Amino acid sequence: QQQVKQSPQSLIVQKGGISIINCAYENTAFDYFPWYQQFPGKGPALLIAIRPDVSEKKEGRFTISFNKSAKQFSLHIMDSQPGDSATYFCAASQYGGSQGNLIFGKGTKLSVKP
Amino acid sequence: DAGVTQSPTHLIKTRGQQVTLRCSPKSGHDTVSWYQQALGQGPQFIFQYYEEEERQRGNFPDRFSGHQFPNYSSELNVNALLLGDSALYLCASSLWGLAGVGELFFGEGSRLTVL
Repeated sequence: QQQVKQSPQSLIVQKGGISIINCAYENTAFDYFPWYQQFPGKGPALLIAIRPDVSEKKEGRFTISFNKSAKQFSLHIMDSQPGDSATYFCAASQYGGSQGNLIFGKGTKLSVKP
Repeated sequence: DAGVTQSPTHLIKTRGQQVTLRCSPKSGHDTVSWYQQALGQGPQFIFQYYEEEERQRGNFPDRFSGHQFPNYSSELNVNALLLGDSALYLCASSLWGLAGVGELFFGEGSRLTVL
């Protein structure tokens, strides 16, 4: 049973545009929601993470929006660049980032066209 | 500062064989987690080791076993390989004491192909 649902499966955005990836979760005990970026042949790398006590977190061009009542969170990439082309995974954990296991979504393959 | 290192990077096995994958955590980290990533899917949690003990386990059969050594490095063993075990196996390290504020650092993985 998938506990984190991610959409869309793939996304094509023009350079300079906004990329938006959405995730929904089921387990209300989750308390840590990270986004990972993965390039081909590489392991996932943490991009940005949020906890349910805030509704938004911004780091540079990357923003997480979190809606606790709807059990949804999303990643916004502003001014998307060709170098952002990668697969993005949302995840959730019940015990924080380092001790608990992460439940990953199925991923979104982002292509940013020049 | 070396990150998470995994070996081997690629390997091919046949059904029924056994495989051992190795992981060295990022310097200063004491916790190792293993994930399986099938092609086109997100990583799935296998288990986590801290203080040489399995602390958490995902929904994987007993054919999957692990070990952590005193130097914090870890091994993942898979017995009686099935075709469905073909995947990228990712090791991630972290610091147990930073629960709730720390992050997982992933290695580049070991690509296992079962024929």
